[in-house]
Amino acid sequence: AQTVTQSQPEMSVQEAETVTLSCTYDTSESDYYLFWYKQPPSRQMILVIRQEAYKQQNATENRFSVNFQKAAKSFSLKISDSQLGDAAMYFCAYRSAIDYGGATNKLIFGTGTLLAVQP
Amino acid sequence: DSGVTQTPKHLITATGQRVTLRCSPRSGDLSVYWYQQSLDQGLQFLIQYYNGEERAKGNILERFSAQQFPDLHSELNLSSLELGDSALYFCASSVLAGVRETQYFGPGTRLLVL
Repeated sequence: AQTVTQSQPEMSVQEAETVTLSCTYDTSESDYYLFWYKQPPSRQMILVIRQEAYKQQNATENRFSVNFQKAAKSFSLKISDSQLGDAAMYFCAYRSAIDYGGATNKLIFGTGTLLAVQP
Repeated sequence: DSGVTQTPKHLITATGQRVTLRCSPRSGDLSVYWYQQSLDQGLQFLIQYYNGEERAKGNILERFSAQQFPDLHSELNLSSLELGDSALYFCASSVLAGVRETQYFGPGTRLLVL
């Protein structure tokens, strides 16, 4: 079974600085997707960024980028020029890209990292 | 705003009761997923529907059931509620049911069982 581990329960960053959130995962599959979701105090789950395992290039979305190390099964999120609005819980998630049927489409989440942004 | 709507936003009820949570997917999305976020279990997949049919089941209790209607909205029914059912229940939707689909989450329904 696949697992996702976020070893940093809490992180803090100064406004305008850069912070990196860690995520490791375990899988025997070769084709899968990895995601970072943001959950602000409103509790809405917002997709931040998505990485396809077969793509070598790291995904980027404006100030958000990932460092995807497939061999190491590591998927970290870098937030540049941190803003107060980035304060939230961040979840790393895994999803298989192989359709076995059944619950293949489910997202498997880590336990989250609570990011505080200091003004 | 993801385009997925959920009602109600908050629900407070007593043990032993039954509640229904409603989800309207994004326009054009055929697939609906339900997830539960609780303090002890984290975020867990419950069940998926695609175009009215159940497609996949996760860690859904027998006391819980769901359905997707012809207009594609979905309802999650929780019965014989226990204190441990208190959680945030999310609905997500995607265009199709395939493994390459991105799931967009609704704002959630916060359930408190007293």
